[in-house]
Amino acid sequence: DVKVTQSSRYLVKRTGEKVFLECVQDMDHENMFWYRQDPGLGLRLIYFSYDVKMKEKGDIPEGYSVSREKKERFSLILESASTNQTSMYLCASSFPRTGNQNQPQHFGDGTRLSIL
Amino acid sequence: GQQVMQIPQYQHVQEGEDFTTYCNSSTTLSNIQWYKQRPGGHPVFLIQLVKSGEVKKQKRLTFQFGEAKKNSSLHITATQTTDVGTYFCAGRFYNFGNEKLTFGTGTRLTIIP
Repeated sequence: DVKVTQSSRYLVKRTGEKVFLECVQDMDHENMFWYRQDPGLGLRLIYFSYDVKMKEKGDIPEGYSVSREKKERFSLILESASTNQTSMYLCASSFPRTGNQNQPQHFGDGTRLSIL
Repeated sequence: GQQVMQIPQYQHVQEGEDFTTYCNSSTTLSNIQWYKQRPGGHPVFLIQLVKSGEVKKQKRLTFQFGEAKKNSSLHITATQTTDVGTYFCAGRFYNFGNEKLTFGTGTRLTIIP
C-alpha cells in the first residue's frame, strides 16, 4: 500500500517565522505535489515536482518555495509565514502520466498549520 | 487561470435518496479524475475518465464524462451513511503541464439517517 507521510499533523507558528513542512513517500513515485485546502476553495496546487531537483509552480506559489533533494522527499517552505497562510496542507505523490491518463494521486493525512 | 467549477457546494439527503455532483470546465479537458475525502481524512482516488461520452460504474456510483469533455458528473444511487464525505473532481487541461490537475471546489455530502 502506498504511504505518504507528512511530518506533522498539527503545527502552530508565528508570523515572520520560516516554516518547513516535510513529506515522504515510499512508492518510488516520480511526481510529488503540495496543495492547500481551504473551505469553499477545494484543493489548490502550490508547487509540484516531477523529478529530483525539478519543480514547477502551481496556481498559488507566492510566499512558498519547495525543495526536492531526494526522490522520496518533498519539502514545502514558507519563507516568512503570514496569517493568510493558515490552512490545511496536503502532500501527494504519483507515477508519471502514461498516454492520455494521469496516474492517481496518493495523499498524506495533511498538516493543519496555524500562523499566529 | 482555467478553473473547474463544481456544484452544489453542499448536499444533504435522506438515506436512500440519490445524489449527484457536477463539474464544469470552460475549456476541453484531457481527462478527469474523481476523489472522495471522508471527514477528517485525505482525498482518495475513485476513478478516471478519459474518453468523450465515457460512462463508468462502481457499484452504486456512476461517473460520466461529457461528449465535449467539458463536464462530468458523479451519481450515487440509494445513498448510505458510508457515502458521507466531500467529493472532488480533478481535470487536466490540454495546454497545461502533463502532470497538473485542477481540482474542483468539492461537494460535501451529508446523510440524514
